[in-house]
Amino acid sequence: QSALTQPASVSESPGQSITISCTGTSSDVGSYNLVSWYQQHPGKAPKLMIYAGSERPSGVSNRFSGSKSGNTASLTISGLQAEDEADYYCCSYAGSSTWVFGGGTKLTVL
Amino acid sequence: QVQLVESGGGVVQPGGSLRLSCAASGFTFSTYGIHWVRQAPGKGLEWVAFIRYDGPNTYYADSVKGRFTISRDNSKNTLYLQMNSLRAEDTAVYYCAKDRDKYSSSSEGFDDWGQGTLVTVSS
Repeated sequence: QSALTQPASVSESPGQSITISCTGTSSDVGSYNLVSWYQQHPGKAPKLMIYAGSERPSGVSNRFSGSKSGNTASLTISGLQAEDEADYYCCSYAGSSTWVFGGGTKLTVL
Repeated sequence: QVQLVESGGGVVQPGGSLRLSCAASGFTFSTYGIHWVRQAPGKGLEWVAFIRYDGPNTYYADSVKGRFTISRDNSKNTLYLQMNSLRAEDTAVYYCAKDRDKYSSSSEGFDDWGQGTLVTVSS
C-alpha cells in the first residue's frame, strides 16, 4: 500500500492548461480503470472531480478531464481559473477492496 | 441532498481509544459502501477503511489493521470507527466518504464527504 506519486506542486497562468500526473504500479493504477481525482480547498472536504479514470460527475466543469496510460493517470485542467487553485489528489483501487491515494499536488494559478 | 456528519473526535492519550461516528442522510444508506479517509495536519489524504453496503465485510489499510474497526448500523444510518491503541501518527482529520456506486466493492470514486472530525493523540 505505497502512496501513488504526484508532483508536489505545479503552477500556470490563467487561461492556460495544466496536467497533473499520478504514477502507481501494475498492482493499482495499471490494473484497474478505477482512478479518481479530488479537489480540496484549504479547510474544506475533498470534492470528486473525476471517477473511473475519465468520467466527470454531474456539475463538474468540462474543463477537467482524466486519462491513463500504463501505470500513470493524469488530470488535465484547461482554461485555468483562479478558483481552480487548490490541492489535487489522485486515488486508485488497489485490489481486494483497498484503495491508495497520491501524495497530493498543490496547484497555483499565477 | 446527501449529508454525512462525523462526530466523536477529540484529544486522547497514546494507547487510548476513541469511537467516531458518521451519521448519514439523504440517500439509501444500506445500499452504499462507506469509507474512512484521514488527513494528518498539513499532509495528504490516506485511505483508512471500507465497509461494504451490507456489512460485515471490512477492509483496512496496513497502518491501522488490528487496531481500528469499521462497522455500520443500517437501521440507524450510521457508520462507526473504533480506534484502539492510538498513536501520535494517528492524529488527523477523519472523513467518512460514500461510494459513488451502489452495491460495489471496488468503488469508482467517493462522491460525498463529511466535514471531518479531528482526532489528536497526545500526552
